[in-house]
Parts: sequence; C-alpha cells; structure tokens
Amino acid sequence: AQSVAQPEDQVNVAEGNPLTVKCTYSVSGNPYLFWYVQYPNRGLQFLLKYITGDNLVKGSYGFEAEFNKSQTSFHLKKPSALVSDSALYFCAVRDTGYSTLTFGKGTMLLVSP
Amino acid sequence: DAGVIQSPRHEVTEMGQEVTLRCKPISGHNSLFWYRQTMMRGLELLIYFNNNVPIDDSGMPEDRFSAKMPNASFSTLKIQPSEPRDSAVYFCASSLVRRAVYEQYFGPGTRLTVT
Repeated sequence: AQSVAQPEDQVNVAEGNPLTVKCTYSVSGNPYLFWYVQYPNRGLQFLLKYITGDNLVKGSYGFEAEFNKSQTSFHLKKPSALVSDSALYFCAVRDTGYSTLTFGKGTMLLVSP
Repeated sequence: DAGVIQSPRHEVTEMGQEVTLRCKPISGHNSLFWYRQTMMRGLELLIYFNNNVPIDDSGMPEDRFSAKMPNASFSTLKIQPSEPRDSAVYFCASSLVRRAVYEQYFGPGTRLTVT
C-alpha cells in the first residue's frame, strides 16, 4: 500500500523568510513523489516531482523539494516566501506497481506581509 | 492548450435530482481521473480511465455514482439520485501515460451543492 502524511494542517511564515512544508510517505517499492498547489477556487497545479536521481528537485515559482530516503520524507522548501505563495499544498506519492496517486490531506501555507 | 475543462463550474440542486458533471481532458492525454474534495475527507480518487476504459472504480462511494468516457475527449460523472452529503468540489484530471511516471493536470472543478 502507498500512503502519504502531511503532519501540519497549517504553516505560518513571514514574507522573506524561508519556508518548509513537510511530507512523509510509505511505499513498498520505489516512490515517485509530487507536490501540487491549490489556490482558492482553483484546481490543483503541479509544482514538481521526484522520480530518480538528484535528491534535490527544483520546480515552479522558486520551490524545491528534498527527497530523503532514510527518513522517507519529501519536504517542500523555498528560500524566501512571498505573500502570493499563500495557498493549500498537497504532497502525493505513487508506488511502483501502482497506477494512481495518493494525496496527503494538504497543508495551508499562510505568508504574512 | 486550454487545459482540462470542466462544466458546470457551479451546480446547485435539490436532493433526489440527477446531476451530471462533464470533463474534457487535455488533447492527447490517455488517462482521466475523477476526484472529490471535501473539508472532512480531503481529496479522494473516485475512478480513473485509461484509454477510455475504466480501470479502477473502487473509490466510487455508492451505486448512485456512475462515470463514463465514451471517447478520448469527453467524460461524465453522474449522481442519481443526489443527496446533501454529495456536496463537494469534484475535480477531473488527465495525464499522458507514456513513460513510467507522469503528473496529472487538474481542471478548475465543479462545486456541487445539494440542498
């Protein structure tokens, strides 16, 4: 079975500060990991993915994520947060042998001016 | 590319009525997914199609829900009869399964309210 956990319902950060949104996963095989962002009244937008190779993945809007196999984590990061980054962020995983993604419950990121 | 198109964007209906949600995937994509999003349950996969064939409908909550994909450019999700607990945002997503790993592209969603 595949599962993903986002331990924080909400993350608060001041504009200009670095941000981290946490994600841990559980799979039987090799994980394929994704981050999506959802702005109010919009669908989910793809940010980045990890397939294999370099553990640091760079994506859209200056976001990056670090794959850590030993800690089974795939935390989303950004060096300097913007107010416009405020949104709901979803982590998702797909295990080898599976055809669908399993999404976490989402973490609300609030960036204050 | 217009992206995934869903209609209607909002639907308000009375309990017992039939509701049909529509989706047009991105041209050239061969997989289509229907999700439901609620505050309580988060994002749930209802059903997915590959090359217009339903592959896994284990997420469909009840027999009141049905989905079809008559061709590569159109899919419907039908609820008959609708109930207040069906109120949610329903998303359609599509992807191109050509390599081992792929990302899904989501439509804007249909906000369904059943009174």
